[in-house]
Amino acid sequence: DTEVTQTPKHLVMGMTNKKSLKCEQHMGHRAMYWYKQKAKKPPELMFVYSYEKLSINESVPSRFSPECPNSSLLNLHLHALQPEDSALYLCASSLSLRDTEAFFGQGTRLTVV
Amino acid sequence: AQKITQTQPGMFVQEKEAVTLDCTYDTSDQSYGLFWYKQPSSGEMIFLIYQGSYDEQNATEGRYSLNFQKARKSANLVISASQLGDSAMYFCAMRSNTNAGKSTFGDGTTLTVKP
Repeated sequence: DTEVTQTPKHLVMGMTNKKSLKCEQHMGHRAMYWYKQKAKKPPELMFVYSYEKLSINESVPSRFSPECPNSSLLNLHLHALQPEDSALYLCASSLSLRDTEAFFGQGTRLTVV
Repeated sequence: AQKITQTQPGMFVQEKEAVTLDCTYDTSDQSYGLFWYKQPSSGEMIFLIYQGSYDEQNATEGRYSLNFQKARKSANLVISASQLGDSAMYFCAMRSNTNAGKSTFGDGTTLTVKP
């Protein structure tokens, strides 16, 4: 199983809504990542978890709140987002922070209205 | 600071021909990894190939090969026998031990394979 599964695939939310993105992997990977990607741009790193602890926060606004409940799951809680937060949100995992290969999920296409 | 430069915003190739996607990088680290990802319109980032800075041989994975020239700091991706399904955005990326967990991506190259 070399899959990273993200749900939902598409999400439309209002600026006052609270929603969560979910990411799951069963490869035994101990590093998990959240990226934000705008159209035709490279992914931008948001958060990195290593062994279920937050390792990197790239100065992401507090309206984005990550959570790693266990080694297989990574959530991204969204609250009071702005229209400019509309993007593709990608989750990835790797065996460790120093591992060469990261597996990505298919992403969640988020639209904030 | 690390930087990846992909100078070709868009490339066209005829089906069954080979194509080279350019990537140059800049880093002061001695130990680093270079890799290429393919991103179709569906959005998923698909890992293609990896080259370590200390690897003396160029990496190959099926139809993909990485032309690694360390002195020139280049890591070009060569796709042989292009297929229509190769049409996608391709990203070159780098990770180093001093920035564990952080990957630096280039701006990407959109490849279109013509029938």
